Amino acid sequence: GAGVSQSPSNKVTEKGKDVELRCDPISGHTALYWYRQSLGQGLEFLIYFQGNSAPDKSGLPSDRFSAERTGGSVSTLTIQRTQQEDSAVYLCASSTRHYGYTFGSGTRLTVV
Amino acid sequence: DQQVKQNSPSLSVQEGRISILNCDYTNSMFDYFLWYKKYPAEGPTFLISISSIKDKNEDGRFTVFLNKSAKHLSLHIVPSQPGDSAVYFCAARAGGTSYGKLTFGQGTILTVHP
Repeated sequence: GAGVSQSPSNKVTEKGKDVELRCDPISGHTALYWYRQSLGQGLEFLIYFQGNSAPDKSGLPSDRFSAERTGGSVSTLTIQRTQQEDSAVYLCASSTRHYGYTFGSGTRLTVV
Repeated sequence: DQQVKQNSPSLSVQEGRISILNCDYTNSMFDYFLWYKKYPAEGPTFLISISSIKDKNEDGRFTVFLNKSAKHLSLHIVPSQPGDSAVYFCAARAGGTSYGKLTFGQGTILTVHP
């Protein structure tokens, strides 16, 4: 597609439930990133996929968070047993061999 | 540990005047710096970048200055326009590669008044 697509755009879930957030990167972009932005905060790095290399998971805040990237394209970020502090906007970005990312519009997650 | 800091949460400027957004960093391994602009309900969009081998980069109304000794960068917008009103994030990367995570500041809300 023309841009990075994220779904759903909004998600409200009950505390303790699992959620899956989806990211469709720009076709041909080999690098894919997940960030989150909590209220009033900057963008916090979560995880980064580059080609067939092992992902950089250094930003995942707990073992309740995991992500996959299938076929070098679509990525799913899974949050298990959601907590209220997980409420944030989750942003996905992709890139080619240059320094600027292209971000999606994000998924606003609200845990109630 | 906030490695990239934008100490001004907000900035208000008159249309036609200069907007100066500032960013400080602590990690001396950072070698590439970027500015992103974000409108509500949209993802950030890339604005301009600068490598640590330069001290200035211009693109139209936007200029980024880098002072490595002070670990400080700034974004100048001249002249400012109401459409520039947005949240501006500075970001930095270490490692000299084309990929890898960016470390972002907290953002500065710029409001340009007509």
